[in-house]
Amino acid sequence: DIQMTQSPASLSPSVGDRVTITCQASHDINKFLNWYQQKPGKAPKLLIYDVSHLETGVPSRFSGGGSGTDFTFIINNLQPEDVATYYCQQYNDVPFTFGQGTRLEIK
Amino acid sequence: EVQLVESGGGLVQPGGSLRLSCAVSDFTFDTYAMSWVRQAPGKGLEWVSTISISGSTTYYADSVKGRFTISRDNSKNTLFLQMSNLRADDTAVYYCARDREQYLMRGGPCLYWGQGTLVDVSS
Repeated sequence: DIQMTQSPASLSPSVGDRVTITCQASHDINKFLNWYQQKPGKAPKLLIYDVSHLETGVPSRFSGGGSGTDFTFIINNLQPEDVATYYCQQYNDVPFTFGQGTRLEIK
Repeated sequence: EVQLVESGGGLVQPGGSLRLSCAVSDFTFDTYAMSWVRQAPGKGLEWVSTISISGSTTYYADSVKGRFTISRDNSKNTLFLQMSNLRADDTAVYYCARDREQYLMRGGPCLYWGQGTLVDVSS
């Protein structure tokens, strides 16, 4: 199975900050990497698919990059509504594993 | 508006069985792979299972293989998850989710999600 190691587990930036979350795969997953946002009590929301493709309607302050085994998720100009937990997920190979999640709170 | 509505969750004793359903609307159900993803209380997301468009191919997490069966009824626009020999660590909110793109062979990014249904395995 492909393991997804996501870091940090939590962070507390300020409004307007740039936030970076990383996700490392235990094997090469090509481009098959997604990022989801989950707010408390809600279903996950797809933000980015295939490493860097922004889902329709998602603000452009969200972005993703990387290749192979190392990936990054960035939020520029952090907004209060970005408070959530963020997950990476690979779908290169079954099982389609998620990272452990990054809980983001506003300082 | 695309909708996915799960049902069938509840309290069940260890070793028991439960069948979850996910009724969908406003999209062509038989052109999308579908998945189940679960989340234990206070924990992260865990992919459970994915089924192909026709239902002929299924994929499972090791943690549920041999105990859970995913299926679909394309004539009724409904996805199912039959769960048996349930354990305490199966306690979670179960989400059904639809692929972002049509005709993917084995599933991809999940764009649409249901609201989830809680399965509580406890004596």
